[in-house]
Amino acid sequence: TQTVSQSDAHVTVFEGDSVELRCNYSYGGSIYLSWYIQHHGHGLQFLLKYYSGNPVVQGVNGFEAEFSKSDSSFHLRKASVHWSDSAVYFCAVTASGSWQLIFGSGTQLTVMP
Amino acid sequence: GGIITQTPKFLIGQEGQKLTLKCQQNFNHDTMYWYRQDSGKGLRLIYYSITENDLQKGDLSEGYDASREKKSSFSLTVTSAQKNEMAVFLCASSMGISNERLFFGHGTKLSVL
Repeated sequence: TQTVSQSDAHVTVFEGDSVELRCNYSYGGSIYLSWYIQHHGHGLQFLLKYYSGNPVVQGVNGFEAEFSKSDSSFHLRKASVHWSDSAVYFCAVTASGSWQLIFGSGTQLTVMP
Repeated sequence: GGIITQTPKFLIGQEGQKLTLKCQQNFNHDTMYWYRQDSGKGLRLIYYSITENDLQKGDLSEGYDASREKKSSFSLTVTSAQKNEMAVFLCASSMGISNERLFFGHGTKLSVL
């Protein structure tokens, strides 16, 4: 059974700060990991994904994530946040060849001016 | 670019009522999904469909029916609305299996009186 854990329900930072949103997963086989962003009142939008190769993957709007097999983690980072980055961020995992994407419970990021 | 359109945007029902939510996509994607989003929780898969007339149950299928009569549309029926139920239902589509990125609609917000 695959599980995804986002330990921080809320993260608050100031504009220009760096931020890391944490994601840990549990699965033994080949998996795809991804991050999605949801602005208030909207559906989710894809940010980035990882399957293999370079453990640091780049996404849109300056976001990147780093895969760590030893830590079972796929944390999302941004070096300098903007107020428009305020949103809920979801980490997701799917087993290779599976139809089902398993989502974490989400982290609400609030960027203060 | 394509778009996913969900109707209605807001749905208010009575306890025991049968309610239908609709989703249309013009990406020409094969796979479509219905997710339920409850406040503070991740998304949970209700149904998905890998092609026209195909239906596959997700973890949360009890209490729901789905229909994929055309490649471009995927509808979800709440068979008997539960009193005080409140959730957002998100439709999504992807090219193939869920390791591909998902594209989401803006959601239908359900309230049951």
